[in-house]
Amino acid sequence: AQSVTQPDIHITVSEGASLELRCNYSYGATPYLFWYVQSPGQGLQLLLKYFSGDTLVQGIKGFEAEFKRSQSSFNLRKPSVHWSDAAEYFCAVEGGTNAGKSTFGDGTTLTVKP
Amino acid sequence: EPEVTQTPSHQVTQMGQEVILRCVPISNHLYFYWYRQILGQKVEFLVSFYNNEISEKSEIFDDQFSVERPDGSNFTLKIRSTKLEDSAMYFCATAGTSGGTYEQYFGPGTRLTVT
Repeated sequence: AQSVTQPDIHITVSEGASLELRCNYSYGATPYLFWYVQSPGQGLQLLLKYFSGDTLVQGIKGFEAEFKRSQSSFNLRKPSVHWSDAAEYFCAVEGGTNAGKSTFGDGTTLTVKP
Repeated sequence: EPEVTQTPSHQVTQMGQEVILRCVPISNHLYFYWYRQILGQKVEFLVSFYNNEISEKSEIFDDQFSVERPDGSNFTLKIRSTKLEDSAMYFCATAGTSGGTYEQYFGPGTRLTVT
């Protein structure tokens, strides 16, 4: 069965500092991997996705993520965090070529200090 | 860019009432999903639907829940007799084939409040 682990429940960074949110997955084949961001009471906004190919993917709002098969990881990074990045971040794995369900991690809450 | 839409955006209902949440998928998408997110928790899979039948369902999706495509376009989730614990955000997602991938596109969600 597929699963996603986000080890950090809550992360606090200073504005302008770099950010890395961790995501580890378990999936039997080549996964489709996603990062979403969610503001309180709002829907899911897709930041970036990985299907295949280049393991470093660029997303919106200056985010990037790197797929590391050997570590079963898909960590999200941003070189310089802005106050508006404060939100909940979810990593998800999708059942790929068989159009299977998505499984989400528990989420990481990002707080940005001025 | 095409998008998944959901109605209503917010539904308030009394315990024991039936609710129907609606989703309009992206045109030519054939795979449909419902997910639920209880406030402060993660997004959980409820059910997937393809070719007019359920492909997979989770333990959450009990006999109180049902899905259908009544008119071949809308995709609905019905909760027959709502409970307080059904209060959550419900997300619809749809997928089609695009270059061999089945990427799911999520709708904006319906917030269901059961009183």
